Amino acid sequence: GEDVEQSLFLSVREGDSSVINCTYTDSSSTYLYWYKQEPGAGLQLLTYIFSNMDMKQDQRLTVLLNKKDKHLSLRIADTQTGDSAIYFCAESTGEGGSYIPTFGRGTSLIVHP
Amino acid sequence: GAVVSQHPSRVICKSGTSVKIECRSLDFQATTMFWYRQFPKQSLMLMATSNEGSKATYEQGVEKDKFLINHASLTLSTLTVTSAHPEDSSFYICSARQQGRMLNTEAFFGQGTRLTVV
Repeated sequence: GEDVEQSLFLSVREGDSSVINCTYTDSSSTYLYWYKQEPGAGLQLLTYIFSNMDMKQDQRLTVLLNKKDKHLSLRIADTQTGDSAIYFCAESTGEGGSYIPTFGRGTSLIVHP
Repeated sequence: GAVVSQHPSRVICKSGTSVKIECRSLDFQATTMFWYRQFPKQSLMLMATSNEGSKATYEQGVEKDKFLINHASLTLSTLTVTSAHPEDSSFYICSARQQGRMLNTEAFFGQGTRLTVV
């Protein structure tokens, strides 16, 4: 299987919370990332978490990490239409997360009124 | 955050011709730039790592004679797709990491180039 897996689609109603899930295989991952890609655009780093943390919150974004199960999630509170995009989970190993990240295939988040 | 600009954003070329894509770091010096390729509904696949002043390091399966990378200055890396074929049609994205930085959190992405070979 792939090193980083995530579901391809998620559809939510505006104002609801979105939860995007990701699993990875490398137990030596040190950094885990969430990137956002809007149509025709490059990737924007949304947030990241160190492997020795289990939660990180940044405004509407909450990242949860279950290292035992190698499961990462991104929760977006009060989802807005502007949040519609593709969200990529990524992981990297190496000291300081310096190695090149391995990306999942991306989850298309569709927010409808 | 820092700005990375890619040019062109879209290009259509005839089969057999070559296409050059530029990646510029606008407000910082990037000793390392990364080139990715993205197929529809697929992840980003790293093609090569470009270090200023030295030869690029290509990932396994990427033809270095087909995808020429030049990183001649601290603010510019170019990817040239030579003798393009329809199967080279894809979305190409660059990423630049600031001089002296090692963390991936300090690498910034360009907006990508949509290449269509007809």
